Parts: sequence; structure tokens; C-alpha cells
Amino acid sequence: DADVTQTPRNRITKTGKRIMLECSQTKGHDRMYWYRQDPGLGLRLIYYSFDVKDINKGEISDGYSVSRQAQAKFSLSLESAIPNQTALYFCATSEGRVGYNEKLFFGSGTQLSVL
Amino acid sequence: GQQLNQSPQSMFIQEGEDVSMNCTSSSIFNTWLWYKQDPGEGPVLLIALYKAGELTSNGRLTAQFGITRKDSFLNISASIPSDVGIYFCAGLTGTASKLTFGTGTRLQVTL
Repeated sequence: DADVTQTPRNRITKTGKRIMLECSQTKGHDRMYWYRQDPGLGLRLIYYSFDVKDINKGEISDGYSVSRQAQAKFSLSLESAIPNQTALYFCATSEGRVGYNEKLFFGSGTQLSVL
Repeated sequence: GQQLNQSPQSMFIQEGEDVSMNCTSSSIFNTWLWYKQDPGEGPVLLIALYKAGELTSNGRLTAQFGITRKDSFLNISASIPSDVGIYFCAGLTGTASKLTFGTGTRLQVTL
């Protein structure tokens, strides 16, 4: 079984709909992250969390929200989806220890299309 | 924010050839990492570099942390079909646990 699991793998939705992407991990890591990947732009950080109920904005947090109610789960919500939020979304985890916290473990991604 | 420029953006090579790609920044980084993304999967860490001038190998892959701390290089020797994917560099500065990712180099290997 995958250590970092994202659901769903694919989602098509309409403009204005509320969408939630789920991430769960069995690695026991404290730190969790949501990234967005767009062709030619690499990976950009949306939100990150260092512990349960700890939430921090990343580079491109506008239009998104997150929830960290348990160590193993970190969900990403789009309150009112818009077409330019069409992208590949990745959840990642890392340990909190110095020398390890930069080593991210990624899920397989969720391809979101907003029509 | 900080920007990392990767080059080339894409490469088409023949099996058995060596590959070189690099990542440059306008800012100094304390740590450089290289990730590979297979088609349909998330990125996987290949190599981590922590010291200016450091040269580290992982099988056929060799990466270097540039002396200026503003660049890093990845070489793949004797490429094989499973090397296909997108290679990302990532830099970390200070004590933040937020990486800055490069734009990626897409590698295609032909038989």
C-alpha cells in the first residue's frame, strides 16, 4: 500500500462547485504539504502544516483552504472552483527532524479539471 | 519569490547516452535536492546535497552543489528507457521547511 494516499485520483467539476481533495499518510510524519503542478511552472506550495491544527499559507493559497484534524490526514478544499484551478495536485509529507524535513514524500497526485 | 531556472526544458536522447541538466538561482541556497517524477506518479527524491562543492552519486546519477551556492547539476550516465520522466531541482534556504522547486526538465529516451 502507498505511504501517502490521495483521493480521488481524477476529478472533473464545474465552475462554482465546492471540491475537497483528501490526503492520508501512514509514514507517521508530522509535516504535510499541498502542492500544485502546472506545465512549465513546476511545483508551487499552496498550504502546509507542521502538526495537527497547525495551518500555514504557502506561495499560492488564495482560493484554497485546508484542514488538519489528525496527524495522518490533510485535506485541501476549493470553496468555489474556477477554471484556472485546473491542475495536478500533490500532497506530500516529511519528518520534522533537522536534516530530514526537506525530504518530501509525495502522493500519486489528483488531476482536477474545472469546466 | 525565489525562482529556480532549469535547463534544458526538455531533452530527447538515445538509450546509452549521457545526460546533463542544471538548475540556477538568483539566490543562495543551503540545500539542493533533485527529484524525479515518473509519468502518472508523484516526485521521488533522488539526491540531496548539503554543502557547497559537494558531489554525490546514486547509481548512474551524479549531482553537484555549485560552489556559488546558486546552482546545481545533475548527470545521468548511460541512459535507459526507465530514465524517462520529469526531473525537478529544489532549493532550501535558512531554516524554512519550504522548498522552492524548479520548472522541471522533461527527459525522453529513444531506443
